[in-house]
Amino acid sequence: QQKVQQSPESLTVSEGAMASLNCTFSDGTSDNFRWYRQHSGKGLEMLVSIFSDGEKEEGRFTAHLNRASLHVSLHIREPQPSDSAVYLCADYAGNKLTFGIGTRVLVRP
Amino acid sequence: DPKIIQKPKYLVAVTGSEKILICEQYLGHNAMYWYRQSAKKPLEFMFSYSYQKLMDNQTASSRFQPQSSKKNHLDLQITALKPDDSATYFCASSTGTTNTGQLYFGEGSKLTVL
Repeated sequence: QQKVQQSPESLTVSEGAMASLNCTFSDGTSDNFRWYRQHSGKGLEMLVSIFSDGEKEEGRFTAHLNRASLHVSLHIREPQPSDSAVYLCADYAGNKLTFGIGTRVLVRP
Repeated sequence: DPKIIQKPKYLVAVTGSEKILICEQYLGHNAMYWYRQSAKKPLEFMFSYSYQKLMDNQTASSRFQPQSSKKNHLDLQITALKPDDSATYFCASSTGTTNTGQLYFGEGSKLTVL
């Protein structure tokens, strides 16, 4: 069964500085990998979905996938206080998502 | 306006009782899901439905029973509640159950079992 590990557990960045989050998987054969964001008390919002090795950009969010190293990262460019949330990575396989436990990001003005 | 409505947002139940979590989606999607988020654990897949038929069930206990009375409804009945059932339950939907389908999530129903 796929296991998803996220790091760091929490991250504090200043507004405008790059934020980088990491995710490793136990099995790289999944169909695709996704990053979600969860504001407190809200549902999940998908940020980026990436299928192939390399980079995928969606606005200020860029995901990098390396299947060989079982690693996907998320970079948040020019983060704003409204980006403060829990960020979840997930892999999609067998028609379901397997999530990591999340990285709590705090963006300070 | 939220396109996936979950009710209630918060509920408290006593051990041994039964509760139903309601989910309605207004996105015209054919596939619906339940996920559970327990304290200090990852969000966990429970069920998937496509065209009102059960596609996948990863919940070991028969105390959890999805109910789909209409195409855009997928309720979750939980019987004989236990404190370990305390969690936030998220409903989601997608156009299909393929890997290209983006899942849209509701805001969750937070259940506390005393």
